[in-house]
Amino acid sequence: KAGVTQTPRYLIKTRGQQVTLSCSPISGHRSVSWYQQTPGQGLQFLFEYFSETQRNKGNFPGRFSGRQFSNSRSEMNVSTLELGDSALYLCASSWPGVAENQETQYFGPGTRLLVL
Amino acid sequence: GEDVEQSLFLSVREGDSSVINCTYTDSSSTYLYWYKQEPGAGLQLLTYIFSNMDMKQDQRLTVLLNKKDKHLSLRIADTQTGDSAIYFCAETTFGGYSTLTFGKGTMLLVSP
Repeated sequence: KAGVTQTPRYLIKTRGQQVTLSCSPISGHRSVSWYQQTPGQGLQFLFEYFSETQRNKGNFPGRFSGRQFSNSRSEMNVSTLELGDSALYLCASSWPGVAENQETQYFGPGTRLLVL
Repeated sequence: GEDVEQSLFLSVREGDSSVINCTYTDSSSTYLYWYKQEPGAGLQLLTYIFSNMDMKQDQRLTVLLNKKDKHLSLRIADTQTGDSAIYFCAETTFGGYSTLTFGKGTMLLVSP
């Protein structure tokens, strides 16, 4: 099976712009989660989608949003970019996972966003 | 809230065993994971352990779980230079909608 894919891999934006990141989960997986990784804060959970519904959301401002399509592909959007949004954005897919652990998450390579 | 703590750095020589430690606070944690991240890459799932287990072995990897002390460790036998990376401990709760809480990561440096 192909792994989780994320596009684009690298992105440079300026403050105030908006950005859309895309994630294609492992074939058959229905849950997609997004995480932000920064040197200062580490890995932080953004949100999780399952069957096109957001089931869980982390502690991020409303500028961060996402959606999931009927084919389980997901996008996340960040509006009015700030310098502090520079990070590696990781997507993970799961469910169903291995029989004994349906929620095992498999990560993509990430999208590295630089905000100037 | 949940918290996961790890030591930040570990240096070993090639061929030695490495032990990376992790503590967590959420007593309802169901699954505990170890992920590996190489420079410029995403997270690679190494192994996981269910909270009702004490130990899990997978080739060179051994995971030990002390649920009473909320302590998790990852032992890498015969450590190789290719094992140099950042290792993340993470926990989740069953039915927690696939939300992982991560530690800050332990940088493992393996010297020849």
